[in-house]
Amino acid sequence: AQKITQTQPGMFVQEKEAVTLDCTYDTSDQSYGLFWYKQPSSGEMIFLIYQGSYDEQNATEGRYSLNFQKARKSANLVISASQLGDSAMYFCAMRETGGGNKLTFGTGTQLKVEL
Amino acid sequence: NAGVTQTPKFRILKIGQSMTLQCTQDMNHNYMYWYRQDPGMGLKLIYYSVGAGITDKGEVPNGYNVSRSTTEDFPLRLELAAPSQTSVYFCASTRAGTSGNREQFFGPGTRLTVL
Repeated sequence: AQKITQTQPGMFVQEKEAVTLDCTYDTSDQSYGLFWYKQPSSGEMIFLIYQGSYDEQNATEGRYSLNFQKARKSANLVISASQLGDSAMYFCAMRETGGGNKLTFGTGTQLKVEL
Repeated sequence: NAGVTQTPKFRILKIGQSMTLQCTQDMNHNYMYWYRQDPGMGLKLIYYSVGAGITDKGEVPNGYNVSRSTTEDFPLRLELAAPSQTSVYFCASTRAGTSGNREQFFGPGTRLTVL
């Protein structure tokens, strides 16, 4: 079974600094997809970034980048120039095989951005 | 374009009562999903559907039922509510296909308490 592990329950970062949120995954599939979602205190789920297992370059979306290390099975999210509005829960997820585009989620990392 | 809408936003049930959580999407997505999120945890898949008339179980289907009679709607039925079903329920949808960035679009969630 596929599994996502996020080992940092909580993280603090100072405003304008960069922060890395860790995500490791376990799968025997060659083709898979990795997603990061943000969940602010208001509760909605916001898609941030996607990395395909065959993508040669690390994904980037504005201040978000994904440090994808396939051999180590890690897909860490890097947020540059942190802002107060980045304070939220962040979830890593992997698309399962077997059809249906089902996602397996990690337990999340609570990020707090401080002045 | 409203995206994914869910009703109700909040609900309190007594043990043994039943209810239906409504989910509608207007993006013509074939794939739809129901997740539950327990406090401090990631999302777990309850049921999913890859098209009208086709549904399948996810990781935690016990105590729930679904139907998919149209592309737009994917209601989740709780029969004989139990305190263990106290959770936040998210509906999501995405376009068909099994590769590439098929991000799931989430509804705002329904907060359910069973007392």
